[in-house]
Formats: sequence, structure tokens, C-alpha cells
Amino acid sequence: DAGVIQSPRHEVTEMGQEVTLRCKPISGHNSLFWYRQTMMRGLELLIYFNNNVPIDDSGMPEDRFSAKMPNASFSTLKIQPSEPRDSAVYFCASTLMGANYGYTFGSGTRLTVV
Amino acid sequence: QQQVKQSPQSLIVQKGGIPIINCAYENTAFDYFPWYQQFPGKGPALLIAIRPDVSEKKEGRFTISFNKSAKQFSLHIMDSQPGDSATYFCAASTVYNNDMRFGAGTRLTVKP
Repeated sequence: DAGVIQSPRHEVTEMGQEVTLRCKPISGHNSLFWYRQTMMRGLELLIYFNNNVPIDDSGMPEDRFSAKMPNASFSTLKIQPSEPRDSAVYFCASTLMGANYGYTFGSGTRLTVV
Repeated sequence: QQQVKQSPQSLIVQKGGIPIINCAYENTAFDYFPWYQQFPGKGPALLIAIRPDVSEKKEGRFTISFNKSAKQFSLHIMDSQPGDSATYFCAASTVYNNDMRFGAGTRLTVKP
């Protein structure tokens, strides 16, 4: 298995632009998570899905952030419009719900908004 | 969101030393406590995990100690090596919601 695949690895964009981050979870996993990592706030859970359904999006900072999971093998996190304070590393992780296997993280997308 | 408190923020030890990282949690519904290791430019990777029905778990040089009554758990790294230099995160979740919450992380440096 190739693990959790995220793209792009790096993204530099101008303030106000739309940014879309992509994630392919491990095949067979039924829970998917989006985290944001910054020096100041550490790892923050933004949203998670079980069986493609969003369960808890209380961590999404504001309406500029949205996430979708149209099928079991793909998810997107969109920021529109982007702001400099959104600069961070965004991680996607997946697991098998209820199995306590732990999460498998992707390598992350480093987003820089200038 | 900070339901898991981790200390220290950073730690420097000599090769062969035994670094200890501590975590405390609040939510008594948590029943799964993993530790993750993160190297620069990489995502966190599961290192070792424990359930609250045991007080200790060892995997190689890594040991988790768990104190359910105190709602605390810790990671010990025996015979630490420079290759163990990384950021370590404790975490906690429930089996039903899988909404894992992470500690703030500890940056460990093992000097040769």
C-alpha cells in the first residue's frame, strides 16, 4: 500500500486565491481526518469523515474552509479566499473506524499564503 | 481543543540516556492512547499505543506507562540514540468517535 497520499506537497499562493488540497486515504480505511499543524497551535483537528460523511467540523476555523469526501478514495480541503494566517502544514490521515489501529498520516501539504 | 497536555516542550539528552515525556488528559471517555513520532518534513507516524486496561506496554526501546486514576501517561525511551531525535506527540481518542486529540508535542534531541 502506498499509504495516505497528499497533493500538492508544497503550495504557495497569493492572499485571496482559492486553494485546494487533496488526499487519497489508505484503501479499506473508512475514517478520514484533516489536521493543521503550526508552531503556535500544534496539531489541530479540522474535520473528520466516517464512511464519507462529515461527522465533526467544529475545528474548521471559519466559513472560508470547506471539505468534501465524494467517495471512499478521495477528499479535498478547500480554502477560499486564502489569507496569510492560513499558512501551515495540512495533514490528512485515515484509519479503520472502531479498530484502534491508530491513524496513518500523509506527508502533508505545506501551504504558504503571501 | 487542547484536551491533552504534554510536557516538556523540548528535551535534550545524551546518547544512552532515558528521556521521559509526560501527558495528561481530561476526558475520561478516552480509551486509546497512542504516541506518534514525527521527523522534519514528514507526517506523524504511530510509534506505540496503550489501552487503559494495562499499566505498561513495551515495544523495543519504547515504553508507555499509564496511570488511569491520575489520567496521566508517559513515554520512556531506553538507551536513546541520535536517530531518535524527532518530535513526539501523545494523543488520546475514543474507539467510537475516533476523534483523536494530540498533545502539543515534545522536540527531543539526543546528542552523540
